[in-house]
Amino acid sequence: QKEVEQDPGPLSVPEGAIVSLNCTYSNSAFQYFMWYRQYSRKGPELLMYTYSSGNKEDGRFTAQVDKSSKYISLFIRDSQPSDSATYLCAMSRAGNNRKLIWGLGTSLGVNP
Amino acid sequence: ETGVTQSPTHLIKTRGQQVTLRCSSQSGHNTVSWYQQALGQGPQFIFQYYREEENGRGNFPPRFSGLQFPNYSSELNVNALELDDSALYLCASSLFNRDTEAFFGQGTRLTVV
Repeated sequence: QKEVEQDPGPLSVPEGAIVSLNCTYSNSAFQYFMWYRQYSRKGPELLMYTYSSGNKEDGRFTAQVDKSSKYISLFIRDSQPSDSATYLCAMSRAGNNRKLIWGLGTSLGVNP
Repeated sequence: ETGVTQSPTHLIKTRGQQVTLRCSSQSGHNTVSWYQQALGQGPQFIFQYYREEENGRGNFPPRFSGLQFPNYSSELNVNALELDDSALYLCASSLFNRDTEAFFGQGTRLTVV
């Protein structure tokens, strides 16, 4: 079993839809939870960063962490064609050497 | 755009050859991490450099090696290339122990034929 599981999709939605992306994980030591966006032929770009459980909102994006269920989510409101990209979740432990453990990424297409 | 630059952007090598990839970190960042991202996969941690020394390594064989220079830039070297080494190689720079706030370069696309 992989430490981080993420459905690769692809996911296709109409413009304006609410998008829900999620990851599950098995290692209860993870404390930091990140969502990255990666456009084709580019490096990942950090979107949201959450420590421990709870919600975090930034504009149209909301990240949720439920440590009891080992489940994290990213919601995108009023989705735009420019949101079309691959969304990767990543996690790490606290303490030294916080290497990131990544999901596969979910490919999202937002259709005008 | 981040301040992390990687070179070259694309590279084609023959099986058995050696390759060196380069990364310039963002100004003020002292730590560089390297990742391998195969097509359709998430990035896999190769290793991290801090103060010119390796500070953690993922599950990669010794033919993957690296360097960090006094200006914090870094190189990734891969010897005896195999077909499965074909991937996007990503460099991420950060402050030490702040991997969660790392900035990534655009990557080097390596194709081994």
